[in-house]
Amino acid sequence: DAMVIQNPRYQVTQFGKPVTLSCSQTLNHNVMYWYQQKSSQAPKLLFHYYDKDFNNEADTPDNFQSRRPNTSFCFLDIRSPGLGDAAMYLCATSRVANQPQHFGDGTRLSIL
Amino acid sequence: KQEVTQIPAALSVPEGENLVLNCSFTDSAIYNLQWFRQDPGKGLTSLLLIQSSQREQTSGRLNASLDKSSGRSTLYIAASQPGDSATYLCAVASTGNQFYFGTGTSLTVIP
Repeated sequence: DAMVIQNPRYQVTQFGKPVTLSCSQTLNHNVMYWYQQKSSQAPKLLFHYYDKDFNNEADTPDNFQSRRPNTSFCFLDIRSPGLGDAAMYLCATSRVANQPQHFGDGTRLSIL
Repeated sequence: KQEVTQIPAALSVPEGENLVLNCSFTDSAIYNLQWFRQDPGKGLTSLLLIQSSQREQTSGRLNASLDKSSGRSTLYIAASQPGDSATYLCAVASTGNQFYFGTGTSLTVIP
């Protein structure tokens, strides 16, 4: 089945130690999104790629970066995680802009 | 900036009841509105999408309506089941490929 896959499901890292979360898709969608969701809060869009065009939200911390080496893969890099970065990170895709989004199961990030 | 509100934040109903979840948004210039379900610790599962030109969409026991002029959408769940227990989120697609989510309604269906 075509889908959005996030690895790992659970990630534990130390305060200040860089971490990378990955997302892959078999839907061949043009747009890939990264969201941060904290407990009992709405998902918050961090950035998205439309093909190779990177779009950063104005309030996304500089600590967060993303890479999309090809259509299928997108990575979220957190350079120096702080305690406040502990959250669920959700990857989503859509065929083109403003079309239905398809989500992965998320990666829950914990910071020690 | 678009603001999306979902009321109530939590809802408990006995099995078999019909129920309505509400979503309101402040800017009527939207492309579409999507309803999602989220189980604890999981990602989001898309339930229904309504394009801005549509009034409603149906899938099985679910019916979603959209009133753009008043900035409201409802998700109607018929004959609720314990398996429907989850958090339901609505998300609005606005200009610039922006998606704005509500904080969700946590639904518990009591057997």
